[in-house]
Amino acid sequence: DIQMTQSPSSLSASVGDRVTITCRASQSIATYLNWYQQKPGKAPKLLIYTASNLQSGVPSRFSGSGSGTDFTLTISSLQPEDFAIYYCQQSYSFWTFGQGTKVEIK
Amino acid sequence: EMQLLESGGGLVQPGGSLRLSCAASGFTFNSHWMTWVRQAPGKGLEWVANIKEDGTEKNYVHSVKGRFVVSRDNGKNSLYLQMDSLRAEDTAVYYCARETTVFKSYFDHWGQGILVTVSS
Repeated sequence: DIQMTQSPSSLSASVGDRVTITCRASQSIATYLNWYQQKPGKAPKLLIYTASNLQSGVPSRFSGSGSGTDFTLTISSLQPEDFAIYYCQQSYSFWTFGQGTKVEIK
Repeated sequence: EMQLLESGGGLVQPGGSLRLSCAASGFTFNSHWMTWVRQAPGKGLEWVANIKEDGTEKNYVHSVKGRFVVSRDNGKNSLYLQMDSLRAEDTAVYYCARETTVFKSYFDHWGQGILVTVSS
């Protein structure tokens, strides 16, 4: 099974900050890496697919990059509605998720 | 508008059974693989099972093989998860999700989730 490791597990940031979350796969997954946002009591929401493609309706302050084993999700200017948990997911071989990164208000 | 609505969750004793349903609307159900994902309380996401558009192919995470069965009824636009021999570690919110039609798909729409609690 492909293991996904996110870092950090949590972070505190202020509105307007640039935030970067990293995700590492246990083996190469090319660009089959997706990012989801989950708010308390809600279902996950797709943000980025195949490493760098913005899902329709997602604000352009979200971006993704990477290939192989190392990936990043960047929020260019954190907004109040962005405080949530973010998960990476590999879709190279079935699906596994990272453990999540909680973005909290500083 | 696309919608996925889970039902059938609740409290069940260890060793018991439960059948989850997911009613789909707003898209061509029989054109998509469908998937189940679960989330234990306070934990991360775990893919559980999926099923091909016509129901002829199914896949499961190792921990539920032989205990869970995924099925679908395209005439009713519905997805199901039959869960038998339930264990405490199956306690989770279960989400149904639509897989995209691309190679190496991902999940672009999710239901709101339904809680399954396995406890005596």
